[in-house]
Amino acid sequence: DIVMTQSPDSLAVSLGERATINCKSSQSVLYSSNNKNYLTWYQQKPGQPPKVLIYWASTRESGVPDRFSGSGSGTDFTLTISSLQTEDVAIYYCQQYYDGRTFGQGTKVEIK
Amino acid sequence: QVQLVQSGAEVKKPGASVKLSCKASGYTFSTYYMHWVRQAPGQGLEWMGMINPSGDTTTYPQKLQGRVTMTRDTSTRTLYMELSSLRSEDTAVYYCARDQGSGWLDYWGQGTLVTVSS
Repeated sequence: DIVMTQSPDSLAVSLGERATINCKSSQSVLYSSNNKNYLTWYQQKPGQPPKVLIYWASTRESGVPDRFSGSGSGTDFTLTISSLQTEDVAIYYCQQYYDGRTFGQGTKVEIK
Repeated sequence: QVQLVQSGAEVKKPGASVKLSCKASGYTFSTYYMHWVRQAPGQGLEWMGMINPSGDTTTYPQKLQGRVTMTRDTSTRTLYMELSSLRSEDTAVYYCARDQGSGWLDYWGQGTLVTVSS
């Protein structure tokens, strides 16, 4: 099974500042035949199911604010919130869909 | 609009089984893979497996092999998940979710709380 490891487990960022979350997979999730990374990012707020933010590691889902961006390839990925807003307080998960599905353990983002 | 409506909360004793349902609407149910994901209290997301559009192929993580069974009924647009030999560690909110087609989960049900307690 592919293991997904996120860092940090939690972070506190001032309003308007940048938040960066890392996700590392135990093996590459880059599919060579189409050069796509099979990696998505979700946001989950309390009492709600997760919501897709980013897929193919860097493609923003329709309706997602452009302050959210994804980058990385192979085994190392990053979700960046360029200017943290109050409504961004949530837990963020990466998930691979290269082989079955596995989630990272989550990163809790709070306001400092 | 796409909707996934799940069955209500369950309380079960250790060793029992639970069968959850998830009714889909707003899209062609028979053309999408479906998944179940669970979340223990205060914990992260755990993928429980998936079922193909025709319902004849399932994929489960090794951890749950032998305890989980996913089925679907195209005529009623309903997805099912049965988990057997329940233990306290199975206490969680269980979500059904639709596979977008390329692998990520684009629509989710509201979740069903299953409590396993003697």
